[in-house]
Amino acid sequence: DIQMTQSPSSLSASLGDRVTITCRASQSISTYLNWYQQKVGKAPKLLIYAASSLQRGVPSRFSGSGSGTDFTLTISSLQPEDFATYYCQQSYSTLGTFGQGTKVEIK
Amino acid sequence: EVQLVESGGGLIQPGGSLRLSCAASGFIVSSNYMSWVRQAPGKGLEWVSVIYSGGSTYYADSVKGRFTISRDNSKNTLHLQMNSLRAEDTAVYYCARVTGGSNAVGYWGQGTLVTVSS
Repeated sequence: DIQMTQSPSSLSASLGDRVTITCRASQSISTYLNWYQQKVGKAPKLLIYAASSLQRGVPSRFSGSGSGTDFTLTISSLQPEDFATYYCQQSYSTLGTFGQGTKVEIK
Repeated sequence: EVQLVESGGGLIQPGGSLRLSCAASGFIVSSNYMSWVRQAPGKGLEWVSVIYSGGSTYYADSVKGRFTISRDNSKNTLHLQMNSLRAEDTAVYYCARVTGGSNAVGYWGQGTLVTVSS
């Protein structure tokens, strides 16, 4: 099974900050890496697919990069609505595993 | 507009069975890669099962032999039959539609809570 490891597990940031979350796969997954945002009590929402493609309707302050085993989600200027938990997910194998999540909190 | 609406969750005793349903609209379930993803209280996301458009099915090791994914083409509905339920199956279960060549989950239902407890 492919393991996905996110870091950090949580972070505190201020409005306007640049935020970076990393995700590492236990083996190469090419660019089969997706990022989701989940707010409390809600279903996840797709932000980035194929490592760097922005899902339709997602603000351009979100961006993704990486290939192989190392990936990054960047929020260029944190907004109030961005406080949430973020998950990476590999879709290289049939049952795509998720990272453990990164909770972004207000400093 | 694509919509996924789950139903069938509830409180069930250990060892019991439950059948979840996901009514889809705006697209054809049988032509798509559909999945169930669950989230235990306060925990992360776990992919439970998938069914491809061709009918092939796959399961997480944690549910293999106990859960069965299926679809009712006449009702455009996805199901998850859950047998021999355990406390560790307690979670919100999301119906999900995988989209595009990236195999990302582009559409999610609102989720249905399954609680396994005596």
